[in-house]
Amino acid sequence: AQSVAQPEDQVNVAEGNPLTVKCTYSVSGNPYLFWYVQYPNRGLQFLLKYITGDNLVKGSYGFEAEFNKSQTSFHLKKPSALVSDSALYFCAVRDGSSNTGKLIFGQGTTLQVKP
Amino acid sequence: GAVVSQHPSRVICKSGTSVKIECRSLDFQATTMFWYRQFPKQSLMLMATSNEGSKATYEQGVEKDKFLINHASLTLSTLTVTSAHPEDSSFYICSARQWAGGAYEQYFGPGTRLTVT
Repeated sequence: AQSVAQPEDQVNVAEGNPLTVKCTYSVSGNPYLFWYVQYPNRGLQFLLKYITGDNLVKGSYGFEAEFNKSQTSFHLKKPSALVSDSALYFCAVRDGSSNTGKLIFGQGTTLQVKP
Repeated sequence: GAVVSQHPSRVICKSGTSVKIECRSLDFQATTMFWYRQFPKQSLMLMATSNEGSKATYEQGVEKDKFLINHASLTLSTLTVTSAHPEDSSFYICSARQWAGGAYEQYFGPGTRLTVT
């Protein structure tokens, strides 16, 4: 069975500092990994994905994530946080071995960036 | 590209009535769409997978007679909450799937806030 864990309910960081939002996953086949961001009362916006290739994936708004197979992690990072990055972030995984695999979401992590 | 819309964005209805929510893929065709439910500050819970021209596949614990899904065209799926009750109040989000960059990618609608009084 697939699962995703985001161990932190909330991450607080000062504007201008680097940020990390953690994600670990479990999947039986090839992991397809995604990060989404959600602003209040809005749907999910795609940030980035890992399918194959380079372990470091660059996405929208200056975010990046590193796929670590041995640690089964896909942490989201940004070198310099902005107040406007404050939102709810979801990590998701799908079993890439099956085209009909479902997207499973983590619990979500609230990122709070303070000026 | 790859925009998904939902209508309405917000709806308030009385207990016992039915509400229909539309999900449209605006610039691509989607044979498969998904319906999720999200409680405040919680993750998305997959309710059902909607396939164009066939019956939806419901997740365990989701009442198919209460949450009717129709995917009559390649750009439209609808979710009807029948005989709504206050406990059905929630944020409903749909997504549509498209093949992109070597894998299926899901694009999400902006969500519909349902309040049942």
